Amino acid sequence: AQTVTQSQPEMSVQEAETVTLSCTYDTSESDYYLFWYKQPPSRQMILVIRQEAYKQQNATENRFSVNFQKAAKSFSLKISDSQLGDAAMYFCAYSRYDKVIFGPGTSLSVIP
Amino acid sequence: DTEVTQTPKHLVMGMTNKKSLKCEQHMGHRAMYWYKQKAKKPPELMFVYSYEKLSINESVPSRFSPECPNSSLLNLHLHALQPEDSALYLCASSLGLAGAYEQYFGPGTRLTVT
Repeated sequence: AQTVTQSQPEMSVQEAETVTLSCTYDTSESDYYLFWYKQPPSRQMILVIRQEAYKQQNATENRFSVNFQKAAKSFSLKISDSQLGDAAMYFCAYSRYDKVIFGPGTSLSVIP
Repeated sequence: DTEVTQTPKHLVMGMTNKKSLKCEQHMGHRAMYWYKQKAKKPPELMFVYSYEKLSINESVPSRFSPECPNSSLLNLHLHALQPEDSALYLCASSLGLAGAYEQYFGPGTRLTVT
């Protein structure tokens, strides 16, 4: 069975600094998708970034980028120039066909 | 319109009650999902509808009964729930299978079972 692990339950970052959130997963499949979702306190979960496993190029979306290491089954998220609005729970997710598995989440605090 | 709406926002029900949660989207998405989320935990997938047909049921107890009357609407019927069923219930939709497309989440229904 597939599993997703996020080893950092909580992290903090100074405003304008860079932070990296870790995610590892376990699968025997070669075709799948990986996502980072953000869930601010009492607000809706939204997509941060998406990576297709067959693409070697790391996905980027403005201040957000990933380091995707398929062989190591690692999918970390880098947030550059952190802003107060980045404070949220971040979930790494593995998806294949209809199945979606979320990691336990990392709570990110941004210090002014 | 890139919104998934859920009603009600809050629901308190007794263990003998019957209630329903409603989810709606008008983005033309063909896959819809129900998740259960406990405080400080990740969402747990409950059901997936793909093209209005139930494609995944993650061994959810029969006191939860999903229904997809049309491609825009998803219901979750609740009956004889237990206190441990208290949680945030999230609905999501995607253009196609979740593997290829991002999911759009609703704000959730906060359910309390007394």
